[in-house]
Amino acid sequence: DQQVKQNSPSLSVQEGRISILNCDYTNSMFDYFLWYKKYPAEGPTFLISISSIKDKNEDGRFTVFLNKSAKHLSLHIVPSQPGDSAVYFCAASASEGGADGLTFGKGTHLIIQP
Amino acid sequence: DTGVSQDPRHKITKRGQNVTFRCDPISEHNRLYWYRQTLGQGPEFLTYFQNEAQLEKSRLLSDRFSAERPKGSFSTLEIQRTEQGDSAMYLCASSFTGGRYEQFFGPGTRLTVL
Repeated sequence: DQQVKQNSPSLSVQEGRISILNCDYTNSMFDYFLWYKKYPAEGPTFLISISSIKDKNEDGRFTVFLNKSAKHLSLHIVPSQPGDSAVYFCAASASEGGADGLTFGKGTHLIIQP
Repeated sequence: DTGVSQDPRHKITKRGQNVTFRCDPISEHNRLYWYRQTLGQGPEFLTYFQNEAQLEKSRLLSDRFSAERPKGSFSTLEIQRTEQGDSAMYLCASSFTGGRYEQFFGPGTRLTVL
């Protein structure tokens, strides 16, 4: 039973445009959400997080939006750059700040076209 | 700060053999996590430690798997009587509960069971 779902295995976006990656979750106990980025042969790298008490968090080119009623979050990257090409994982936790084990989605492979 | 390191990076073994992996967390981090990732999936949580204490174990952690963190620093993950289904990337992460909670991942150990 997938508690965190990323329904788009891949996404292709032109350089300079906005990339929008989506994530849905089913467990209402989740209250902290994170996005990780992964390059081949490397471990995941933390990008940005959001607590359930907020609906938006922004860090430079990255913004995460949370819609608790819809159990949906999205990551916006603007403008998209070639170095953003990677696999992006959505993760969730029922503990404060994600201090316990995280539950990950299957990932979305983002490809930035020149 | 050298980040999270894992050793070995690759391990090939025959079915039925025992294997042990090591993880060295970021030095001031008190929490250490183990995850497993198979092809096309996101990382799956296995277990985590706070200092020396193992606080949570996933149902994925069968009795052939054992993890230790004897002095609250490095950790080992042992798999006994390996099976072909154990072939995966084993990821280690660490975090510090005294501040921001995000987990920092190592590069992983890729296990192939023949």
